[in-house]
Amino acid sequence: NAGVTQTPKFRILKIGQSMTLQCTQDMNHNYMYWYRQDPGMGLKLIYYSVGAGITDKGEVPNGYNVSRSTTEDFPLRLELAAPSQTSVYFCASRAGTDGGEQYFGPGTRLTVT
Amino acid sequence: ILNVEQSPQSLHVQEGDSTNFTCSFPSSNFYALHWYRWETAKSPEALFVMTLNGDEKKKGRISATLNTKEGYSYLYIKGSQPEDSATYLCAFNLVSGTYKYIFGTGTRLKVLA
Repeated sequence: NAGVTQTPKFRILKIGQSMTLQCTQDMNHNYMYWYRQDPGMGLKLIYYSVGAGITDKGEVPNGYNVSRSTTEDFPLRLELAAPSQTSVYFCASRAGTDGGEQYFGPGTRLTVT
Repeated sequence: ILNVEQSPQSLHVQEGDSTNFTCSFPSSNFYALHWYRWETAKSPEALFVMTLNGDEKKKGRISATLNTKEGYSYLYIKGSQPEDSATYLCAFNLVSGTYKYIFGTGTRLKVLA
């Protein structure tokens, strides 16, 4: 049981490049989330999904896209990377219980230069 | 705008000291309050989930209380040890959106041996 896995762990992008951050969970959780964490700031919600085929925007969705074709996978796409997207990205999942705890992946540290 | 405030931002204590931190949140539309422990270079791990006013939870030397009427939660650590050094995050869910989590910026604890 691996929990929530994320790849890659680190990445450096040039301005204008695109990439996909992968997130997979093996707990059969319906709810999945993408957060970014900037220095001195709390976790900010980018996108979330309440089940396969259903996604919605969080607080800071601009510059990102997501898809949820399966229960297990929730990739985050950056189309035109900008320096403002330099951050640490965390994927999380949660079972269906209202107010239940989230399980976090190890994070992806992204630098855009 | 919904805000979660945590205080203090950072704290240094000596090994063996007891300490506590505060999480303040909007008391209206409250559903659940979460505490997470986040060690450097790792991902956040859930400590407690509390939903009822007056709830108290305990795990080893760490305990938490909840006051939903006035909108605060305390986290206590008794007899701090160096391995307790971490950032302690709180997050809450609203009744109107129990699948969304609003995070504070955390209290960074350093326990000196």
